[in-house]
Amino acid sequence: GEDVEQSLFLSVREGDSSVINCTYTDSSSTYLYWYKQEPGAGLQLLTYIFSNMDMKQDQRLTVLLNKKDKHLSLRIADTQTGDSAIYFCAEGRDDKIIFGKGTRLHILP
Amino acid sequence: EAGVAQSPRYKIIEKRQSVAFWCNPISGHATLYWYQQILGQGPKLLIQFQNNGVVDDSQLPKDRFSAERLKGVDSTLKIQPAKLEDSAVYLCASSAQGNTEAFFGQGTRLTVV
Repeated sequence: GEDVEQSLFLSVREGDSSVINCTYTDSSSTYLYWYKQEPGAGLQLLTYIFSNMDMKQDQRLTVLLNKKDKHLSLRIADTQTGDSAIYFCAEGRDDKIIFGKGTRLHILP
Repeated sequence: EAGVAQSPRYKIIEKRQSVAFWCNPISGHATLYWYQQILGQGPKLLIQFQNNGVVDDSQLPKDRFSAERLKGVDSTLKIQPAKLEDSAVYLCASSAQGNTEAFFGQGTRLTVV
């Protein structure tokens, strides 16, 4: 996980937008992923983006990719209490998926 | 569609004992992964199979960990002997092709005392 960096914590008020950022190091990565992990549960794939795309939107989720800076972000619109979880950024390369350490999203009332 | 199945969900063993985990991937998925997730960290890839062949086991501590995927379907991961630092959640995942959408099981939480 050393090649994928994320901030460890993020606190957001309910109803606001959450933006989780990630940087990766390998420009040959083909796919970039966002996974969600709730307490005691496995990893749930939220969305992924091909490396030749700049943006992907899926309902409340928006993924932005800046390939030049190797920067990936996940925006969650209208954050709800059910969004409270750990969010993992991951890069796919050489048929492997490499994870960051995860960002814990805390929702403030 | 049934998801990735893992068992057991929880296991507590003493150090120097042996333990085995089992994974049944999604039907038809050729690629199978075992990850180790230590508390507070992201998942670390231990071993990756393509059908019944090993693609990458560079992060697997081969002096104590072993894994197999007989017939290219189910897989077992074994630790013998276990150490305290092996306490973690062991996640199995599968994908139809490597490097695309991988589906994870709920994991096996191992506690070594």
